[in-house]
Amino acid sequence: EAGVAQSPRYKIIEKRQSVAFWCNPISGHATLYWYQQILGQGPKLLIQFQNNGVVDDSQLPKDRFSAERLKGVDSTLKIQPAKLEDSAVYLCASSLDRTYPHTEAFFGQGTRLTVV
Amino acid sequence: DAKTTQPPSMDCAEGRAANLPCNHSTISGNEYVYWYRQIHSQGPQYIIHGLKNNETNEMASLIITEDRKSSTLILPHATLRDTAVYYCIVRVQLSFGAGTTVTVRA
Repeated sequence: EAGVAQSPRYKIIEKRQSVAFWCNPISGHATLYWYQQILGQGPKLLIQFQNNGVVDDSQLPKDRFSAERLKGVDSTLKIQPAKLEDSAVYLCASSLDRTYPHTEAFFGQGTRLTVV
Repeated sequence: DAKTTQPPSMDCAEGRAANLPCNHSTISGNEYVYWYRQIHSQGPQYIIHGLKNNETNEMASLIITEDRKSSTLILPHATLRDTAVYYCIVRVQLSFGAGTTVTVRA
C-alpha cells in the first residue's frame, strides 16, 4: 500500500515569510497528525485530526501556525509569519482510527524547513 | 500523559542481541506501550506494541514487566542497518521523548 506522502521535501524561506506543507495520508486512515521535530529532539505533536475535526491542537502555536484537513483526507500546515526557531522537520503521520488503541501510526518522510 | 524514560545512547555489536530499556512508571491500565525507530533523515517507523503480554514480530520482541512500569525492546540479531534512534512511547497521543540512540558496530 502507498505510504504517507508529504511535499515539499525541503523548503528554505526567509523569516517573516509564509510557508505551507501538504500531507496525503494512507487511504482510509481517519486520524492524521502533524509533528515538529527540531534537530536532536524527538517529534513534538502539533495537531491531531480525526476525519476533518481537530482532536488536539494544544501544542500548536496558533498565533502563527494553522492547519486544516478539508474533506477529511489531505491536510495542509501553514506557518505565517515564520521565525528562525521554526527551522525543523515537519512530519505527517496517519493511523486507521484513534478509537482503536492498538493502531499504529505511519509516518511520512517529512519536510525539512530552514528559516534564514 | 504517562511519560517514558530511556537511556540516551547505547552501543551494540553486530550479530548480538540489543536490549533497550524503557521506564513508564505512570502508565495507566488501558495505555499501550509502543516502540518506534527513526533512521537518519527518515520519518519514525513502527516496530512493535503491547499492553500486558510479551509480544514478538519479525522485527523485535517486547517484554513488559508484570506491573507494567517498564519494558524492554529486544532486537535479537542487531545489524548495522538497525543503527537508529529508538523511541518508547505510551499511547495517548504519540508524544515522543528524546529516545535512545543505538549504534551497532561491526
